[in-house]
Amino acid sequence: DQQVKQNSPSLSVQEGRISILNCDYTNSMFDYFLWYKKYPAEGPTFLISISSIKDKNEDGRFTVFLNKSAKHLSLHIVPSQPGDSAVYFCASHNYGQNFVFGPGTRLSVLP
Amino acid sequence: DGGITQSPKYLFRKEGQNVTLSCEQNLNHDAMYWYRQDPGQGLRLIYYSQIVNDFQKGDIAEGYSVSREKKESFPLTVTSAQKNPTAFYLCASSIPVVPGNTIYFGEGSWLTVV
Repeated sequence: DQQVKQNSPSLSVQEGRISILNCDYTNSMFDYFLWYKKYPAEGPTFLISISSIKDKNEDGRFTVFLNKSAKHLSLHIVPSQPGDSAVYFCASHNYGQNFVFGPGTRLSVLP
Repeated sequence: DGGITQSPKYLFRKEGQNVTLSCEQNLNHDAMYWYRQDPGQGLRLIYYSQIVNDFQKGDIAEGYSVSREKKESFPLTVTSAQKNPTAFYLCASSIPVVPGNTIYFGEGSWLTVV
């Protein structure tokens, strides 16, 4: 039973355009959400996070939006750059529980 | 500089052999984790430890064993009982899981059965 879902296995975007990666979750107890970026044969690196008390968090080109009623979050990358090509994992947890990761979305930014 | 060190980066194992993957962290984190990633798949939790001398099974613990004798170290042994061990293994750590915490990952270890 997947608690964190990323329904798009892959996404292709032109350089300079917006990339939107989506994530859905089923556990209403989750109170913190994170996005990680992973290059092949490397460990994931933390990108941006958001608490359940907020609906938006921005860091440079990266913005995460949270819609609690829909149990949905999204990561926006503007403008997209070729170096953004990677696998993006959505993750979540609630107090005292382990981190739960989605299956990932492979983003390809085309020059 | 602080971080998580996994070794070796690449490891080949013959069928029937046990192998141990090393994970060391100098972030002073209490919690440590082992994940497995198969090609095109997400991250699956093998074992985790919230404190020294204590560890818990994750979603796919069968065929694996761990120890947590020191705060800095969390080695993973892939035993011969693991039927499909070829994968990319990731060690991670965090401070205790409370809202606002982040989990940090090592660079990963590739294990191939030959």
